[in-house]
Amino acid sequence: QKEVEQDPGPLSVPEGAIVSLNCTYSNSAFQYFMWYRQYSRKGPELLMYTYSSGNKEDGRFTAQVDKSSKYISLFIRDSQPSDSATYLCAPLGGKLIFGQGTELSVKP
Amino acid sequence: SQTIHQWPATLVQPVGSPLSLECTVEGTSNPNLYWYRQAAGRGLQLLFYSVGIGQISSEVPQNLSASRPQDRQFILSSKKLLLSDSGFYLCAWSPGGRETQYFGPGTRLLVL
Repeated sequence: QKEVEQDPGPLSVPEGAIVSLNCTYSNSAFQYFMWYRQYSRKGPELLMYTYSSGNKEDGRFTAQVDKSSKYISLFIRDSQPSDSATYLCAPLGGKLIFGQGTELSVKP
Repeated sequence: SQTIHQWPATLVQPVGSPLSLECTVEGTSNPNLYWYRQAAGRGLQLLFYSVGIGQISSEVPQNLSASRPQDRQFILSSKKLLLSDSGFYLCAWSPGGRETQYFGPGTRLLVL
C-alpha cells in the first residue's frame, strides 16, 4: 500500500464550481499535512498546511484533515480558470511524502 | 524575502555525460536544503537533503550525488548520466526546524 494515494484526475469543472480534492494516507503518526499547487512546468508552491485534525480556511481554500479515517481534503470555492493546476498533498512523516497529484482544469 | 534559484532551466545531455545542477537560496541562513525528482505524471521523489555545509543524506541509492559547498548552495551531480535520469529536478529549502518547504523553479533534464 502506498503511503499517500491521490486520484490523478484529470478533473474538469466549470468556473464557479466547488472543487473537492482528496488524499488518503496510511501512517496514523502523520501530524502535519501540506497542500501544494503546481502550475505546468513550474515548481510547486505551498498553498496551505494544517496540523492534526480539523479545518483551516484561507480565502477560497479550505483544508480539512480527518485523522480517524486518514483522509485529507482541499476544497476550492468559486473556482477560477487561474486555479487550473496540479494539486499535491504531502503529509509530513520525518520527510514530506507527496501524493501523485490531481490535475485540475477550470473551464471559463 | 527569501528566494530560491535553480539553473539551468532546461538541459539536454547525451547518455554517459556528466551533470551539474545548481541551487542557491537568498535571504536566509542555515536552511535545510532538498533535491527532488519528479517523473512525468508522478509525485515528487526525495533524492537528497542537507541540514548544513558538507552534511548530505541520501534517500535513494542511484547514479546521482549531492554536495553543499556553501551554506546556501546545493549541487546535484552525476559522473555518467543514464536515460532513466531524465526528469524534472526540483530544489527546495526550509527554515531549520520548520516543516514547510519552498521550491525553486526546477530544471528539466532530458537524457538522450
